Amino acid sequence: QKEVEQNSGPLSVPEGAIASLNCTYSDRVSQSFFWYRQYSGKSPELIMSIYSNGDKEDGRFTAQLNKASQYVSLLIRDSQPSDSATYLCAVRKAGSYQLTFGKGTKLSVIP
Amino acid sequence: DGGITQSPKYLFRKEGQNVTLSCEQNLNHDAMYWYRQDPGQGLRLIYYSQIVNDFQKGDIAEGYSVSREKKESFPLTVTSAQKNPTAFYLCASIGTQNEKLFFGSGTQLSVL
Repeated sequence: QKEVEQNSGPLSVPEGAIASLNCTYSDRVSQSFFWYRQYSGKSPELIMSIYSNGDKEDGRFTAQLNKASQYVSLLIRDSQPSDSATYLCAVRKAGSYQLTFGKGTKLSVIP
Repeated sequence: DGGITQSPKYLFRKEGQNVTLSCEQNLNHDAMYWYRQDPGQGLRLIYYSQIVNDFQKGDIAEGYSVSREKKESFPLTVTSAQKNPTAFYLCASIGTQNEKLFFGSGTQLSVL
């Protein structure tokens, strides 16, 4: 089983809809969870971090973490064409500085 | 302006040649990382360093070498032993007070 798994997509949503991106991880000692957005040919940009169970909201973005199910998700409300990018999920184990990345989900927001 | 600077943006390697990718940060971060990204793939860790004069192999270190002589600098050499070097290379760093990993703008390496 891969350490961090994401559906590669592409995920297509109409403009204004909610985009839901999912990520599962295999290591139960994982402690910190991150979502990065990456535009084609550019470096990843951190958009959300979450450390405890529940929801964390920042503007149009909501990260959700369920450690019992080893599941983390990212919701994007009122999706815009500028949200079209690849979204990478990253996980860090307790006591480690290393991040393990998923392969990313490509999101396409259709005007 | 604090940040991570990678150079060059584009690099071409001839067969049998070693090339070095530069990574400099002025964030006073202790830990630095090199990742490789292939099209449609996630990031794979090549090497990382948590302190000056010390570094560790990541998942795909074969054919690569690094040095960490200064806190600010973590250059990556792609040696001739790396037979498939074409990829997007990303340098990143993190400080001990902040868990968040920040990336440079990347170097696209291609083979001539």
